[in-house]
Amino acid sequence: ETGVTQTPRHLVMGMTNKKSLKCEQHLGHNAMYWYKQSAKKPLELMFVYSLEERVENNSVPSRFSPECPNSSHLFLHLHTLQPEDSALYLCASSQDFSGGSLYEQYFGPGTRLTVT
Amino acid sequence: AQSVTQLDSQVPVFEEAPVELRCNYSSSVSVYLFWYVQYPNQGLQLLLKYLSGSTLVKGINGFEAEFNKSQTSFHLRKPSVHISDTAEYFCAVSNAGGTSYGKLTFGQGTILTVHP
Repeated sequence: ETGVTQTPRHLVMGMTNKKSLKCEQHLGHNAMYWYKQSAKKPLELMFVYSLEERVENNSVPSRFSPECPNSSHLFLHLHTLQPEDSALYLCASSQDFSGGSLYEQYFGPGTRLTVT
Repeated sequence: AQSVTQLDSQVPVFEEAPVELRCNYSSSVSVYLFWYVQYPNQGLQLLLKYLSGSTLVKGINGFEAEFNKSQTSFHLRKPSVHISDTAEYFCAVSNAGGTSYGKLTFGQGTILTVHP
């Protein structure tokens, strides 16, 4: 595997279910991100982890719970979601604290989530 | 706070014609600028970036963009498009420094459709 991978690619879940999204980066990066991409809206940054420490949480509801066990893996645990949470969830990673290259984010293909 | 405005939500064009996708930003500090492309059912891929130096930057797939500080713009251009360029394009901006991780603000995207 190369780059940033995400599993599953598609997920349908009911509002009472609990599921997890997984992201893995094979680039040796130290920062990882979760984004939400909804139709007709800009990408929304949800969480940022830098060296496995959460450094940003953009007012995301508690029904979304991130976990970063190491610098290569990032999870998004989901529980009691709402239909408006249906979206494409994108994971990204970037190099560490080295100026401009820090901001080059490499994206995974996303998980298309449908909440019924 | 920063913001990014992509002036056209959709741009239809014929194959081999030139195209310009417009992006304006607002920021009170120095910025880095990016263009990403998203093909159907895929994540975002970096097309090109402006960090410093020459205001004309060249990217992959024959795209280029020009940073205009006085007009706070970063328009994307290609002199001759192909059917395979059909995708959604995102402009993004980040503060030049100041954090230990990359934080991008994205525009709403421009859907480029290339017709035969």
